[in-house]
Amino acid sequence: QITLKESGPTLVKPTQTLTLTCTFSGFSLSTSGVGVGWIRQPPGKALEWLALIYWDDDKRYSPSLKSRLTITKDTSKNQVVLTMTNMDPVDTATYYCARRKLASPESEYWGQGTLVTVSS
Amino acid sequence: AIQMTQSPSSLSASVGDRVTITCRASQGIRNDLGWYQQKPGKAPKLLIYAASSLQSGVPSRFSGSGSGTDFTLTISSLQPEDFATYYCLQDYNYPFTFGPGTKVDIK
Repeated sequence: QITLKESGPTLVKPTQTLTLTCTFSGFSLSTSGVGVGWIRQPPGKALEWLALIYWDDDKRYSPSLKSRLTITKDTSKNQVVLTMTNMDPVDTATYYCARRKLASPESEYWGQGTLVTVSS
Repeated sequence: AIQMTQSPSSLSASVGDRVTITCRASQGIRNDLGWYQQKPGKAPKLLIYAASSLQSGVPSRFSGSGSGTDFTLTISSLQPEDFATYYCLQDYNYPFTFGPGTKVDIK
């Protein structure tokens, strides 16, 4: 059974750096074709794709946020970490992590999401 | 980045109605498109992948079609549990991009 769960602070102050961890089970991020990514959703708004890291450490970022984002993986811990610098109130959102597999779009699984509020 | 548009942005429908939602890409994306259903407070759920393939466990009243730039999600007979927001996602190239969503509510 594949599961993913996001964790991190629920409240951050403007200008701070956000660090979110996606802890997963039921698969390995060392398996060819597997990737874990991050998507966010501000309250009442649409989904926004942020970043993705693959088994071979290939990393992809949203160009609009690339300067602020870093995605890394720890295969031994079954974790993917997303850091976002210089947080602003507009970054208030529910952050989701999701697993996907190249050439197998049906093999997608999402975490439950975690709400991060940016406020002083 | 490829821009995705959806229409309508919202619609009101009754149980049993046939509902059609369209998604358009700003450039050709072959059939690299998925449709998601999201209910309040929940993670999105994949309904359709590769434009027209039904995800396992999803009722057959959901169907998808299209290729290139124009895509459609159809619900053949709307059920009470289908009232939700629907998003398309292109995974043809990076960055992946979602459509703005279509909210389906009760008429």
